[in-house]
Amino acid sequence: DIQMTQSPSSLSASVGDRVTITCRATQNIGNYLNWYQQKPGKAPKVLIYAASSLQSGVPSRFSGSGSGTDFTLTIGSLQPEDFGTYFCQQSNNSPLTFGGGTKVEI
Amino acid sequence: EVQLVESGGGLIQPGGSLRLSCAVSGFTVTNNYMTWVRQAPGKGPEWVSIIYSSGSTYYADSVKGRFTISRDNSRNTVYLQMNSLRAEDTAVYYCARDRRSGTWAYLDYWGQGTLVIVSS
Repeated sequence: DIQMTQSPSSLSASVGDRVTITCRATQNIGNYLNWYQQKPGKAPKVLIYAASSLQSGVPSRFSGSGSGTDFTLTIGSLQPEDFGTYFCQQSNNSPLTFGGGTKVEI
Repeated sequence: EVQLVESGGGLIQPGGSLRLSCAVSGFTVTNNYMTWVRQAPGKGPEWVSIIYSSGSTYYADSVKGRFTISRDNSRNTVYLQMNSLRAEDTAVYYCARDRRSGTWAYLDYWGQGTLVIVSS
């Protein structure tokens, strides 16, 4: 199985800060990398798919980049509603696998 | 409006069985790939199973031989039959639609989840 490693595991930032989360795969996954946001007690919500495509309805302050094994999620200007845990997920190989998560505190 | 509503979770003793349901509105399960994903407390999500539009099914190694995914087209509902449950199966179970094209694949709609606790 492909292992997904995220860093950092948690971070604290201020409103307006630029925040970057990284995700590394144990093998080449092309651009089959998705990012999800999860609020406590809720299901994950897709933000970015195919490494850099913004899901409909997601604010443009969220962006993704990368290909192959190294990927980045960037929040351009952190907002109060952006607290939660962020997961990367690869969909290149079965089984789908997720990273361990990055908890973002405001 | 798209909705996925899971039910059937609860407290069950090790070795027991449960059947989870995922009632879908807003799209037809037959025409889509439907997955079950679980998340243990404080952990990242873990993919469990998928049923393709063709009816083909696949499972994570950790549940193969114990869990069965199925669907009822008339009820537009997906099921996860879970047998021989173990403590490590304790998690919130989500159903989700697996949306794919030739160049991308992601889980776009999710249910609210149903909690399964396996404990004596």
